[in-house]
Amino acid sequence: DAGITQSPRHKVTETGTPVTLRCHQTENHRYMYWYRQDPGHGLRLIHYSYGVKDTDKGEVSDGYSVSRSKTEDFLLTLESATSSQTSVYFCAISESDGRDTEAFFGQGTRLTVV
Amino acid sequence: DQQVKQNSPSLSVQEGRISILNCDYTNSMFDYFLWYKKYPAEGPTFLISISSIKDKNEDGRFTVFLNKSAKHLSLHIVPSQPGDSAVYFCASFSGSARQLTFGSGTQLTVLP
Repeated sequence: DAGITQSPRHKVTETGTPVTLRCHQTENHRYMYWYRQDPGHGLRLIHYSYGVKDTDKGEVSDGYSVSRSKTEDFLLTLESATSSQTSVYFCAISESDGRDTEAFFGQGTRLTVV
Repeated sequence: DQQVKQNSPSLSVQEGRISILNCDYTNSMFDYFLWYKKYPAEGPTFLISISSIKDKNEDGRFTVFLNKSAKHLSLHIVPSQPGDSAVYFCASFSGSARQLTFGSGTQLTVLP
């Protein structure tokens, strides 16, 4: 298994509070991604990073920010959590930009905003 | 506006028979296609992929077919086994966007 760890694995938070999810990798892969999985929508890309301090927006980036100060860590922050952000969040890593290479996923973080 | 569509949310097949999972895409700029499998409470795992310059790729019991003119992708599993029961996601990669775009998934159930 690829060395990728998400924390926390489960979190319940109140509307309006900030939340940070962490993704840690031990593979030294350049690319890191944050996805959310919702019924009927599959996996949707929130943000991704192609290097330290290099990030870009995905399909559903509103309400989220990311930071990558080290190769191994990619943080996802919900500045002010809303109920629509209740979801399962997956981090993924890949050696290159996805073409001809697979992305490895973490086990997910189940976030509930009440 | 879903660029990758899996129109069947679920599929049930008998053990030993063929499972065929389908995927349609709209973006002609996609140049690489992948299938992922996901078990409950786990992250998705890579299964098989195909480049847009090919029309077939095979790996053991799994074969992916690509029909570019129809913008259609399919995954064949032969023979199906109960352990194949999972959610299957197709994904498409666009080099210009550097992003993997996923379909909504198909729940495959293989009945013993």
